[in-house]
Amino acid sequence: EVQLVESGGGLVQPGGSLRLSCAASGFTFSSYWMSWVRQAPGKGLEWVANIKQDGSEKYYVDSVKGRFTISRDNAKNSLYLQMNSLRAEDTAVYYCARDRYCSSTRCYDYRFDYWGQGTLVTVSS
Amino acid sequence: QSALTQPASVSGSPGQSITISCTGTSSDVGSYNLVSWYQQHPGKAPKLMIYEGSKRPSGVSNRFSGSKSGNTASLTISGLLAEDEADYYCCSYAGSSTFVFGGGTKLTVL
Repeated sequence: EVQLVESGGGLVQPGGSLRLSCAASGFTFSSYWMSWVRQAPGKGLEWVANIKQDGSEKYYVDSVKGRFTISRDNAKNSLYLQMNSLRAEDTAVYYCARDRYCSSTRCYDYRFDYWGQGTLVTVSS
Repeated sequence: QSALTQPASVSGSPGQSITISCTGTSSDVGSYNLVSWYQQHPGKAPKLMIYEGSKRPSGVSNRFSGSKSGNTASLTISGLLAEDEADYYCCSYAGSSTFVFGGGTKLTVL
């Protein structure tokens, strides 16, 4: 059974930092791109960042570029999101989600097919 | 990276069909047949319902179907059930390994 379990959320002051983790199990973690998606209270979903299977490519939504860093440790089946210079507008539930599978020649199944339960990040003084 | 446009709300009676639209641009929805749809009940994580325009994951009812025309994708739910009441989000690949979501649509089953 595929499972994604996020941790690391909490209350942080504006300008502060937080590191989120996502522990994956039940599938070959190193074969998939992985993404972070967030949802502000009462608002819609927003894709935040993703990372290639081997960590060699990383992409971000414009609003977090230069402040957030996505990373992964395939040996530990874990995904991370380092969040610096946090702002009030970063307050949200952060979900990790399994992204697409890519072989050496093409990618398959563009979808977020498994999601964690989410971890709440609150940026407030 | 502007959000895709969805109606804020739609409603229908049990047994009826409804369609939710998702309008993007020639840079996302119009360029790729890579739109996915997610159902989210209150307090729960999103659930994949349709991917790559019209494909249904295993276990998702065939009452859910997807299509696309130009820069607009659509999700149709036929034979509405009370359990279909939820928020629905579209998402499109936007090139360069990035994705963009729609603002979400609240479905009310009357």
